[in-house]
Amino acid sequence: NAGVMQNPRHLVRRRGQEARLRCSPMKGHSHVYWYRQLPEEGLKFMVYLQKENIIDESGMPKERFSAEFPKEGPSILRIQQVVRGDSAAYFCASSPLAGTGGDQPQHFGDGTRLSIL
Amino acid sequence: KQEVTQIPAALSVPEGENLVLNCSFTDSAIYNLQWFRQDPGKGLTSLLLIQSSQREQTSGRLNASLDKSSGRSTLYIAASQPGDSATYLCAVRQAGTALIFGKGTTLSVSS
Repeated sequence: NAGVMQNPRHLVRRRGQEARLRCSPMKGHSHVYWYRQLPEEGLKFMVYLQKENIIDESGMPKERFSAEFPKEGPSILRIQQVVRGDSAAYFCASSPLAGTGGDQPQHFGDGTRLSIL
Repeated sequence: KQEVTQIPAALSVPEGENLVLNCSFTDSAIYNLQWFRQDPGKGLTSLLLIQSSQREQTSGRLNASLDKSSGRSTLYIAASQPGDSATYLCAVRQAGTALIFGKGTTLSVSS
């Protein structure tokens, strides 16, 4: 049973380019979360999605960042016109039904390390 | 606003020692608390999940406790081994489903 799959593992972009990060949740999981880990910082929540819906994007920067989770295919985190400050590790997590008590653990992928030149 | 703090930031111990990692949170209205392990360049591995109604969870040499009223959790590692060297992260879940993480404790166990 494959875990959460993220690709690419490492991504290098020049300032001004676009970065696309992909996440395939665990089989049977319909909820996807994106987190960002900046150097010397803890993981910070960015966005929570279900199929074809953004549920909570309170942690997303207002500009240049977008996320989607289409009916078919992986979830995509897209960063337009990247800047040096976007360099970080981006982690995706998935879970089954969230439940009223929020008691379903999130399972994490190995992350995408984004480096901006 | 919920804040999660982990102390110490780094810890070095010789093999075989028992040790305690601390996690504190400012808002006691949580659904659960989760301890993770992160190896360098890797993702997070879930170690223990404690529901808000529980006091502790155990898995092998690991024991996590939760005192919701005081906003504290501890992760106890018995008989530490070099393979336990990693960064340990504490995270709480509140209303909604986002996890709020501490910055972690980096553990080094020497043989």
